[in-house]
Amino acid sequence: GESVGLHLPTLSVQEGDNSIINCAYSNSASDYFIWYKQESGKGPQFIIDIRSNMDKRQGQRVTVLLNKTVKHLSLQIAATQPGDSAVYFCAENIRGAGSYQLTFGKGTKLSVIP
Amino acid sequence: GAGVSQTPSNKVTEKGKYVELRCDPISGHTALYWYRQSLGQGPEFLIYFQGTGAADDSGLPNDRFFAVRPEGSVSTLKIQRTERGDSAVYLCASRTGVTGELFFGEGSRLTVL
Repeated sequence: GESVGLHLPTLSVQEGDNSIINCAYSNSASDYFIWYKQESGKGPQFIIDIRSNMDKRQGQRVTVLLNKTVKHLSLQIAATQPGDSAVYFCAENIRGAGSYQLTFGKGTKLSVIP
Repeated sequence: GAGVSQTPSNKVTEKGKYVELRCDPISGHTALYWYRQSLGQGPEFLIYFQGTGAADDSGLPNDRFFAVRPEGSVSTLKIQRTERGDSAVYLCASRTGVTGELFFGEGSRLTVL
C-alpha cells in the first residue's frame, strides 16, 4: 500500500450539522458504487449504494451523489450524530458483470464534536 | 449466526509459520470474498468465490496465499511461510446472488513477529 494512506483525510463536524464526504473513483467503466462505514476494530458496514445509471440516491439521513463526468462520488449525512464518528470508505465495482469485486478508496475519518 | 463469522479474531505467529483463517458466511450467500486491510488503508481485494470455485484470485499477492471453499459455504484462507509484511486484518465478506451489498465480518487480525 501507499504510505500516504497512513494519514487519513479527516473531517470534524459539529453535532447536528450536515457532513459531506467526497471520493474520486478511478474507472469510468465502473457500474456500481457503495459507501461503507467502519468503526474501530470492526468490519465495514454498508451505508448506501448507487448504480451508474443514477445521479442521486437517498436513504435514512444519508444521500449519495454520483457525478460520472468528473468521476466523483459524495456522501451527505444529515444532522450528524456522535454515533456517526467512524472511517468512511467509498468503493467501486471495477470489474462489472455482477462480480461486485469492490475496489475501496483510502477512507475519510469523520469526527463528530458533541 | 446472523452475520459473517471469522475465526480467530486475533492471531499472533512467528515469521515462517503457517496460518489458517476461517470464514463462515451468512447462510445462503453464494458469493464470498477475502480482503486484506493494512493500518490506515482501505480493504484490498484478495480472492472471490462463487459457490465452490474461485471466480477471481487476481488479488492474492503471491503463491504463499491460497484459499478454499470446498462445500460452497465455509472458506479458509491459508498463508504459508508467513512474513512480517503479511501482518494485517483479513476481512471476509459474503453476498447474496441478488444485490451488490457485501456483508463483512469483524476480521481476523494477523500479527507476524
